[in-house]
Amino acid sequence: GAVVSQHPSWVICKSGTSVKIECRSLDFQATTMFWYRQFPKQSLMLMATSNEGSKATYEQGVEKDKFLINHASLTLSTLTVTSAHPEDSSFYICSQLAGLAGVSNEQFFGPGTRLTVL
Amino acid sequence: AQTVTQSQPEMSVQEAETVTLSCTYDTSESDYYLFWYKQPPSRQMILVIRQEAYKQQNATENRFSVNFQKAAKSFSLKISDSQLGDAAMYFCAYSAGTASKLTFGTGTRLQVTL
Repeated sequence: GAVVSQHPSWVICKSGTSVKIECRSLDFQATTMFWYRQFPKQSLMLMATSNEGSKATYEQGVEKDKFLINHASLTLSTLTVTSAHPEDSSFYICSQLAGLAGVSNEQFFGPGTRLTVL
Repeated sequence: AQTVTQSQPEMSVQEAETVTLSCTYDTSESDYYLFWYKQPPSRQMILVIRQEAYKQQNATENRFSVNFQKAAKSFSLKISDSQLGDAAMYFCAYSAGTASKLTFGTGTRLQVTL
């Protein structure tokens, strides 16, 4: 399957600072990527759909100005958590649609980024 | 809105035995896909098996198989000959149409005992 990387794998930051998380598609050009967050012992919740060259589509309840998504190329999408607060501490996971997405809707996931805001 | 329900927060199975994880979903769509993903302690999401709604035949992947009951909107996962490496969180997921987002269930934690 496709290989998706995330950087950093973990980050600790002070409250009020901004943190950028990168999601890269290493062997496939992804026009669509997804960003999820996962709280401890909970399921994945979709935050937004990232489309290359256009604005991201955010899920209801997700603050667009707080979670900035940029998908400037077919292999890179970034999520910036602006003015982070302790309640933003979570596990953030990106994914991309598989090659024959029109056929299977399968997604390949990155390894995730653990964000801790002090 | 589509919903996915996993009613078993935790399950346990002995090594080499068979276990079935339950999943139900609600949708008004006719074209959709169903998935089971595994999340081990590393938290890397791994696709276990997928099912296209238009296919009547149940999907199988080695020791993993599904029982897809479209009318009942049920999509259970059967793991045969369970192995210690099968211990993980298992998430059922739904996706409608094409190139579409996934909706996940709440997950089932599977323990495998000796």
